[in-house]
This record gives sequence, C-alpha cells and structure tokens, in this order.
Amino acid sequence: DAKTTQPPSMDCAEGRAANLPCNHSTISGNEYVYWYRQIHSQGPQYIIHGLKNNETNEMASLIITEDRKSSTLIRPHATLRDTAVYYCIAGGATNKLIFGTGTLLAVQP
Amino acid sequence: DTEVTQTPKHLVMGMTNKKSLKCEQHMGHRAMYWYKQKAKKPPELMFVYSYEKLSINESVPSRFSPECPNSSLLNLHLHALQPEDSALYLCASSHRLVENEKLFFGSGTQLSVL
Repeated sequence: DAKTTQPPSMDCAEGRAANLPCNHSTISGNEYVYWYRQIHSQGPQYIIHGLKNNETNEMASLIITEDRKSSTLIRPHATLRDTAVYYCIAGGATNKLIFGTGTLLAVQP
Repeated sequence: DTEVTQTPKHLVMGMTNKKSLKCEQHMGHRAMYWYKQKAKKPPELMFVYSYEKLSINESVPSRFSPECPNSSLLNLHLHALQPEDSALYLCASSHRLVENEKLFFGSGTQLSVL
C-alpha cells in the first residue's frame, strides 16, 4: 500500500469549506484513494473514495490530481460536528486499509 | 440496517482472564475485520475474514484468537493479555474483500487490561 502524508492538524471556520490535503506520491495505478473520518469515541466513518476521476457524494468532494500523487477532500459548509480526525488512505489490491496518522480538523464557531 | 454492532462497549479484565469481544452485522457483508486502536493513534489492522475464512493475520500474538462462526458474526477471544493490550478494538465489515469497497465500522470495545 502507498504511504500517505497529511498535515497533523487544521482549523476551519464554521460555515466555510474545509479543504484537507493528502500526498500519496508512491500510489500505483490500481490503488484507490479513500477518505474516512473518526469523531471522538466513535468508529471511523467512510466519506468517499476514488481512482482517477474527481468524485462527489452527499458528504464531500474528492479532487485527485492528474498524476494521482495528491488529493484534496473538500467538505463544504463545515459544521462543529465535522470536528474529527480525517484519514486519507491509498488502498492496495485487496480491501486491506492501512490507516496513516490523519489530520485533526477543528471547526471553530 | 447499516450498522455494525459491537459488544460489550467497555471491558475490564485481568491478565489471567479469558474474555470475548463480539461483532455483528446484518448487511449481508462477507468480509469482516478486526482493528486495534491505541489512544491518539490510527487504527491498526489485526485480522480479516472473507467468507468466514481467515484471509489476513497481521502477525498478531496468539493471545488474540479470532473466530467467524457465520457470515453475520465475528468474535475475538482474549486470553492472558498484557496491560499494553489495552486499547479500543474496532470491528468492520464490507460487502466483499476487494478494492472499491467501503468499510462500515462499529463503535468499538474499549478494553482495559489490569
């Protein structure tokens, strides 16, 4: 599995978009990029994943660069309940997800 | 039903005890996972089951013994644990053990070994 690098922490004002970057420069052609988040004292929650194209669902948008070496998770209109650790994962051939250290997003009122 | 249910939510055990953690899902998923998470650290994969057979064991010590008695149920049997095994134990499931699948996680069992 490719190693991912994320900033350890970020702040975001409530109501603004949260843009969370992730570097995965060693990702191989068949590896997906997954995003999960973990709110304090809960299990991780799936957000979104993608291979090459940008993806959007009801929770967020995922922007993957053309060379696939980095991606950005965009959570529009962040609320206080979005405060969590956000994990970016580059997955291997099976669904063996290896979590990195993640980004602690603090949404400020 | 899109839930993965883990019981108990909290468990305190001594080093000589035998206990079991239970995980249940009714989404028809055929892949189930155990993760271990120490405080302020990311989850670490322990075991993966696919169609009730052990598919991945991440070199976990034998004092942790997984069991998948049917497609809906996953157990983790604990015996002779050490205090450093205290952690949050997370169960997850996915439709199949392939890429492009999302994992559904339970809320975990917070284990304390005295």
